Amino acid sequence: GAGVSQSPSNKVTEKGKDVELRCDPISGHTALYWYRQSLGQGLEFLIYFQGNSAPDKSGLPSDRFSAERTGGSVSTLTIQRTQQEDSAVYLCASSLGRDEQFFGPGTRLTVL
Amino acid sequence: GQQLNQSPQSMFIQEGEDVSMNCTSSSIFNTWLWYKQDPGEGPVLLIALYKAGELTSNGRLTAQFGITRKDSFLNISASIPSDVGIYFCAGQTGTASKLTFGTGTRLQVTL
Repeated sequence: GAGVSQSPSNKVTEKGKDVELRCDPISGHTALYWYRQSLGQGLEFLIYFQGNSAPDKSGLPSDRFSAERTGGSVSTLTIQRTQQEDSAVYLCASSLGRDEQFFGPGTRLTVL
Repeated sequence: GQQLNQSPQSMFIQEGEDVSMNCTSSSIFNTWLWYKQDPGEGPVLLIALYKAGELTSNGRLTAQFGITRKDSFLNISASIPSDVGIYFCAGQTGTASKLTFGTGTRLQVTL
């Protein structure tokens, strides 16, 4: 399939551990977004990459959260020293410039 | 972060009935979008609205962009079982920018 893929699909970790979540956008898409969806809630913006521009990090909830996008393609969202309130589904989306954002299936993170 | 006010929060309807849901914001948006999310999946775009007052249809779905640019509604006519899911509105202040999502409307359809 040519859609957005994310890995792992599920991640269970212990409080205090670091986790890395991966997003493979649709080939050729220049924009990449990370959102977080807590149980029963809507999606909350985290960070946005557009081409070679500096990312918009305005949605990151704390300095424990960071993301990078290598080679304008794959992105990794890292959460350091995870807390129980970090438990959520983390969704990635990509778009071709200003067009529709296509979402991946998400990574469900559970912090015990 | 900010979330848009969406209502109703959930609804149970019978197959064949029409459905209406709406979304309001304290901020102005230049684009309003409606998404549907199935369990275990990411949201999928249903309708996009780009102009205040615009009324757009996509099959059994109709959506409108409010004149004030602070609200939008989505109607689904003649609901069918596959309409089950969570519907989200989203606002965008400019193209190629972050989406601000509503709190979601969970739709369940009974036969």
